Amino acid sequence: DGGITQSPKYLFRKEGQNVTLSCEQNLNHDAMYWYRQDPGQGLRLIYYSQIVNDFQKGDIAEGYSVSREKKESFPLTVTSAQKNPTAFYLCASSIDREMGTGELFFGEGSRLTVL
Amino acid sequence: GESVGLHLPTLSVQEGDNSIINCAYSNSASDYFIWYKQESGKGPQFIIDIRSNMDKRQGQRVTVLLNKTVKHLSLQIAATQPGDSAVYFCAESPTLFFGNEKLTFGTGTRLTIIP
Repeated sequence: DGGITQSPKYLFRKEGQNVTLSCEQNLNHDAMYWYRQDPGQGLRLIYYSQIVNDFQKGDIAEGYSVSREKKESFPLTVTSAQKNPTAFYLCASSIDREMGTGELFFGEGSRLTVL
Repeated sequence: GESVGLHLPTLSVQEGDNSIINCAYSNSASDYFIWYKQESGKGPQFIIDIRSNMDKRQGQRVTVLLNKTVKHLSLQIAATQPGDSAVYFCAESPTLFFGNEKLTFGTGTRLTIIP
């Protein structure tokens, strides 16, 4: 089945540690996104990538890093510089249409808790 | 800044009844609107979208209404079923001619279907 796979589903981290969240898609989508979801807030964009080997900062990129070495993979690293990393992280992809937005396909999320 | 929000954070509906979930937006230049459904512990799923040049769009058991005069969006779910219990949130984009990185997400309404 085609879709987006995020791992791990749950992750615990000690303060000062970097962690990497995996996101893989087999939908052959060009664009991939990382969002953060906090209680009572809408999804906030961390990073996005429209094409392999290129990515852009979203609204809350500080303390995060990404790479896009392969079309199907877009891992997110939460660094120790992120002051409030405990959150639910969502990866998404979409067909990068030339003229506009497209349906976002989301993974099932990764819940990160900093101890 | 611009905001997208919801009138009610929770909504309980008897199974079989119709439900209406509302969303207000503040950017009068918004051109594209989307509704997502998010079940507990899962990623959001696309439900339906609408362009600003439309007032109404129907899908399977769902209808989205757009009132640009008062900047209001609603999602109607007909003949609700237990599987409709979820958080529903809207998203808007200032233009169709940008990618999904321009989407602004609302905080969500939790819909509970009472058997």
